[in-house]
Amino acid sequence: QKEVEQNSGPLSVPEGAIASLNCTYSDRGSQSFFWYRQYSGKSPELIMFIYSNGDKEDGRFTAQLNKASQYVSLLIRDSQPSDSATYLCAVNPPNAGNMLTFGGGTRLMVKP
Amino acid sequence: DAGVTQSPTHLIKTRGQHVTLRCSPISGHKSVSWYQQVLGQGPQFIFQYYEKEERGRGNFPDRFSARQFPNYSSELNVNALLLGDSALYLCASSLRSRDRGNSWSTEAFFGQGTRLTVV
Repeated sequence: QKEVEQNSGPLSVPEGAIASLNCTYSDRGSQSFFWYRQYSGKSPELIMFIYSNGDKEDGRFTAQLNKASQYVSLLIRDSQPSDSATYLCAVNPPNAGNMLTFGGGTRLMVKP
Repeated sequence: DAGVTQSPTHLIKTRGQHVTLRCSPISGHKSVSWYQQVLGQGPQFIFQYYEKEERGRGNFPDRFSARQFPNYSSELNVNALLLGDSALYLCASSLRSRDRGNSWSTEAFFGQGTRLTVV
């Protein structure tokens, strides 16, 4: 079992729709969770982080964390073609300093 | 403010050669981590340095080494390059390292990466 799992996609949504990206992790003691966006040929860009159970909203982005289910999600409202990218879920395992364990990423395609 | 800077941006090396990649963190950040990203996969952790000390090491062979300098910049060295070392090498900068057993954490910001091609 991979430590952080994501559906590789592609996830295709029409412009203006809500895109829902999901991630599960195996280490129950993990405390910190991050979403990165990576455009083709570029480096990952941090877009959201969440440490507590529940929802965290930032503009069109909402991160959701459920530690009991070991599940993290990212919702993108009013999806735009410019949101088309690979979204990487990253988890900071316990007692691991700043090390991040990444999922393989989900490719999102927003169609005009 | 300058973000994380990495050099060079692209590099082509021959099998068996040695390579040195460089990273300058965001001003004020004392923690630097290195990741390897193979095409189509998520980044894999290689090393973390904080205050010039190694704080973590991923599952990479001893051909990989790194160090952090007094100004918090860092170098990643790879010896005896293999074709499989071809990847995007990413440096991440963080404000501080999380202590063992503590609950706080910090966000990591990536540089633009160094694209290494081994031929």
